[in-house]
Amino acid sequence: GEDVEQSLFLSVREGDSSVINCTYTDSSSTYLYWYKQEPGAGLQLLTYIFSNMDMKQDQRLTVLLNKKDKHLSLRIADTQTGDSAIYFCAENSGYSTLTFGKGTMLLVSP
Amino acid sequence: IAGITQAPTSQILAAGRRMTLRCTQDMRHNAMYWYRQDLGLGLRLIHYSNTAGTTGKGEVPDGYSVSRANTDDFPLTLASAVPSQTSVYFCASSDSTGGNQPQHFGDGTRLSIL
Repeated sequence: GEDVEQSLFLSVREGDSSVINCTYTDSSSTYLYWYKQEPGAGLQLLTYIFSNMDMKQDQRLTVLLNKKDKHLSLRIADTQTGDSAIYFCAENSGYSTLTFGKGTMLLVSP
Repeated sequence: IAGITQAPTSQILAAGRRMTLRCTQDMRHNAMYWYRQDLGLGLRLIHYSNTAGTTGKGEVPDGYSVSRANTDDFPLTLASAVPSQTSVYFCASSDSTGGNQPQHFGDGTRLSIL
């Protein structure tokens, strides 16, 4: 079945770049998503990438996709304390349901 | 503000009781979903509905039921709650099936079964 794996924890200092990594198994994935969850809140869509793209940039966010290795990453430039949250990678295999990773907790220290 | 509304925000419930979690969206999205979020397990899909009148089972459907009488509402019912159903429950919706249809989430219901 489909599986999405993420590292559980990442700690960075304010102003540094953060890179959150994700691997997935379903080669038929068409869209891949990054969601952010702040404490006590639901998941907020951050960005997404279509499977025929290698990179997508959106302000401080850069998504890189290596389809051959089934590897997705989210880079946050100039990380701020407000970026502290749990980040989820998710894949869409062409139907409506998504498969989520277990989430990476990003802690940004001043 | 358009979006998804879940109710209640939190609930403590005795085991064996029946409970319905409510979810309403005002975006006229076709598809709706229920997830549970547990520490170390991430989000797991309970049930989903691709359009009003249809429902489907997700990864962890046992002990839960859903209905989709109209586009806007997608209630989740625990017929006889058990402690293992203690979790945070999220409702989500998306515009349609297939293609780029990101899911939009509510703020969740924190449910404790004693």
